[in-house]
Amino acid sequence: GAGVSQSPSNKVTEKGKDVELRCDPISGHTALYWYRQSLGQGLEFLIYFQGNSAPDKSGLPSDRFSAERTGGSVSTLTIQRTQQEDSAVYLCASSPRISSGNTIYFGEGSWLTVV
Amino acid sequence: EDKVVQSPLSLVVHEGDTVTLNCSYEVTNFRSLLWYKQEKKAPTFLFMLTSSGIEKKSGRLSSILDKKELFSILNITATQTGDSAVYLCAAWYGGSQGNLIFGKGTKLSVKP
Repeated sequence: GAGVSQSPSNKVTEKGKDVELRCDPISGHTALYWYRQSLGQGLEFLIYFQGNSAPDKSGLPSDRFSAERTGGSVSTLTIQRTQQEDSAVYLCASSPRISSGNTIYFGEGSWLTVV
Repeated sequence: EDKVVQSPLSLVVHEGDTVTLNCSYEVTNFRSLLWYKQEKKAPTFLFMLTSSGIEKKSGRLSSILDKKELFSILNITATQTGDSAVYLCAAWYGGSQGNLIFGKGTKLSVKP
């Protein structure tokens, strides 16, 4: 696609429910990132996929968070048993192979509110 | 611990003022430093700096990197209300796969 596409753009869920956030990266981009941004804070790294390599999950805050990337393209971030502190904007980004030092391009984000 | 620190965290200026935003970094195997502008949700790319001492310029914005002192600055001259945003600094770092770590951002408010 023309840009990184994320859905839903807004999601309100009850505490304890599971949510899935979707990211469709720019066509041809091999690297895909998930970041979380709480109100007034910077971007917190969650997980990174690069081609067929094992993902870097070092930023996932707990085992309630998981992500997968199917066919090297679309990615889904799943948050199980949501808590109020999970409320944030979840940003997805993609880039060409990072060894060339390219920048990354962000989607518009999914605003998650846990009530 | 790898980190990127930005200062100030927030700044209020009047139109026409010049501002300087600071970014320092401590990362392993530094590759390059990036600046983004975030107005609503999606950060938009401004600059990528890889070499020390070479200024990058785009209109009223400019940025430079000092790899010896491990910092970068973003300058905005003749500020306008449209410059109001959060400015994010990020460092590419790491081995074969690499990663990108962000600072908390500087919130700039430009008053008419």
